[in-house]
Amino acid sequence: GDSVTQMEGPVTLSEEAFLTINCTYTATGYPSLFWYVQYPGEGLQLLLKATKADDKGSNKGFEATYRKETTSFHLEKGSVQVSDSAVYFCALRVIYNQGGKLIFGQGTELSVKP
Amino acid sequence: GAVVSQHPSRVICKSGTSVKIECRSLDFQATTMFWYRQFPKQSLMLMATSNEGSKATYEQGVEKDKFLINHASLTLSTLTVTSAHPEDSSFYICSARENRGSGNTIYFGEGSWLTVV
Repeated sequence: GDSVTQMEGPVTLSEEAFLTINCTYTATGYPSLFWYVQYPGEGLQLLLKATKADDKGSNKGFEATYRKETTSFHLEKGSVQVSDSAVYFCALRVIYNQGGKLIFGQGTELSVKP
Repeated sequence: GAVVSQHPSRVICKSGTSVKIECRSLDFQATTMFWYRQFPKQSLMLMATSNEGSKATYEQGVEKDKFLINHASLTLSTLTVTSAHPEDSSFYICSARENRGSGNTIYFGEGSWLTVV
């Protein structure tokens, strides 16, 4: 079945460090891919998305490229800030006859220290 | 790995009736579960945080009398949409936080499509 696998957390980085959170997926169809972020005490927010192969989603300095050949959608940021501390979720959606379902990874907690 | 099961995955109900959606953690205990709603082409919106054995905490703007949440055990939370109307048609998804000493692992259900006709 469809699934998403993320690297396990927590990930602890110093401010201005480079961030990579790995995400790989398996899907029977042609999914759209998403990264969601959940800041402490808040609900999920869409961070970025990509709907077809080689698309790059970007937002707030974060980037992820849809790699069909490696079935991956790794999240990267060149220089993290303390305010980036949150839980990050990779997700896919495959559209079926009437809507689709979101499949989430387990989440990766990021902690950025000053 | 840990699994969160939602049931039903798809439901159609008549306007004015109530419908219940279940969220179960299958192989772990979850003191805290979350209920989200997703409008078309939008991100998930947190509706409420469900705590086992106590009242749910609702987000601003969410009607607690309309969206009843019960978290009676460490493996089950239910969302009941009362007196449903067509505008309640949406994608509802739950997540559960695994009880562990450290870390913050949250598992999501696959969601439930509600259509009110």
